[in-house]
Amino acid sequence: EAGVTQSPTHLIKTRGQQATLRCSPISGHTSVYWYQQALGLGLQFLLWYDEGEERNRGNFPPRFSGRQFPNYSSELNVNALELEDSALYLCASSLLSWTVQETQYFGPGTRLLVL
Amino acid sequence: AQSVTQLGSHVSVSEGALVLLRCNYSSSVPPYLFWYVQYPNQGLQLLLKYTTGATLVKGINGFEAEFKKSETSFHLTKPSAHMSDAAEYFCAAQGGKLIFGQGTELSVKP
Repeated sequence: EAGVTQSPTHLIKTRGQQATLRCSPISGHTSVYWYQQALGLGLQFLLWYDEGEERNRGNFPPRFSGRQFPNYSSELNVNALELEDSALYLCASSLLSWTVQETQYFGPGTRLLVL
Repeated sequence: AQSVTQLGSHVSVSEGALVLLRCNYSSSVPPYLFWYVQYPNQGLQLLLKYTTGATLVKGINGFEAEFKKSETSFHLTKPSAHMSDAAEYFCAAQGGKLIFGQGTELSVKP
């Protein structure tokens, strides 16, 4: 069974540009989560999508946004990039989200570098 | 609000020695608890999880963790460290989203 996949593996952008990161969940999983892992800041929750709807959002500005498609894949968009957006962005997926103990399985991440 | 604290950002052990990585959580209701491992330049891999039932949880690669409600702890142990265990370990609590501890980097000396 294929795991969570993310693309691209690396992304280099300049300040002010937009970045688009993609995630494909494990087959059968309907929930997708995005996390940011920045140096010195640890792993921070960004967004949670389930059945195409945004269910929860972490403490990030509105220029971080995303969406979930009918096939449950997801995009994370970061507008007006800032240097501090440089980080590893991890996507996770899980089964039905109404039971909170569903395990989240992670992809390999997209490393974003903002110059 | 839920929070997760990992004691020690860096732990170093000798090969064959006991591994003990500490995790405490803060919650009025026992959360669902997880340990993940992250190898360099990779994503997170699930080691083990506690949801309900037996408080001693066995995971992959010989790791286990014990949920102690009275101590609000979920420490990770492995009886004998192997060089391949060198990685960063994250404790997490789940209430919808995952709340992670700061991570503990484990080094294993030959």
